Amino acid sequence: DIQMTQSPSSLSASVGDRVTITCQASQDISNYLNWYQQKPGKAPKLLIYDASNLETGVPSRFSGSGSGTDFTFTISSLQPEDIATYYCQQYDNLLLFTFGPGTKVDIK
Amino acid sequence: QVQLQESGPGLVKPSQTLSLTCTVSGGSISSGGYYWSWIRQHPGKGLEWIGYIYYSGSTYYNPSLKSRVTISVDTSKNQFSLKLSSVTAADTAVYYCARENWGPSRYFDLWGRGTLVTVSS
Repeated sequence: DIQMTQSPSSLSASVGDRVTITCQASQDISNYLNWYQQKPGKAPKLLIYDASNLETGVPSRFSGSGSGTDFTFTISSLQPEDIATYYCQQYDNLLLFTFGPGTKVDIK
Repeated sequence: QVQLQESGPGLVKPSQTLSLTCTVSGGSISSGGYYWSWIRQHPGKGLEWIGYIYYSGSTYYNPSLKSRVTISVDTSKNQFSLKLSSVTAADTAVYYCARENWGPSRYFDLWGRGTLVTVSS
């Protein structure tokens, strides 16, 4: 099974800061990597698919990059409404889906 | 606007079967290009994919749960369902139904609000 790790597990940043989260896969997953935002008490929301593609309607301050085993998710200018937990999720050719453990983002 | 809504008992006794239904509104479950998934989240924890079904009835399950999971579809009602047998307290979680885009890119682009299921006597 492919395992996913994320770092940091939590972070605090100021409004306007650039925030970066990393996600690492235990083996090469090409660009089969998605990012979701989950606000407290809500369902996850798709932000980025295939490592770097912005889902329709998602603000352009969110971006993703990477391939293979190492991926990065960035919020270019943190906004108060971005307070949430962010999850990476991989899919592989065995038709399995695995989520990372999540990164909780707070306002400092 | 397609929407998903989970329904089912919020409390299940240990060793019994958890049963949930997801109703798809605003669109047809039989439209191509989508698989229909169940995903759960243990309290305060991360997300675990349970399995998915296509409208034709073909399924695929997470190997870690495969022996206890059945997902079915009722196209006439525009619903799909989850059954998880022999539940224990470890199955206490928020259960989400979600739509999976099936194509070169695979992702969950639509989610239900989730329903908390507690396993307790």
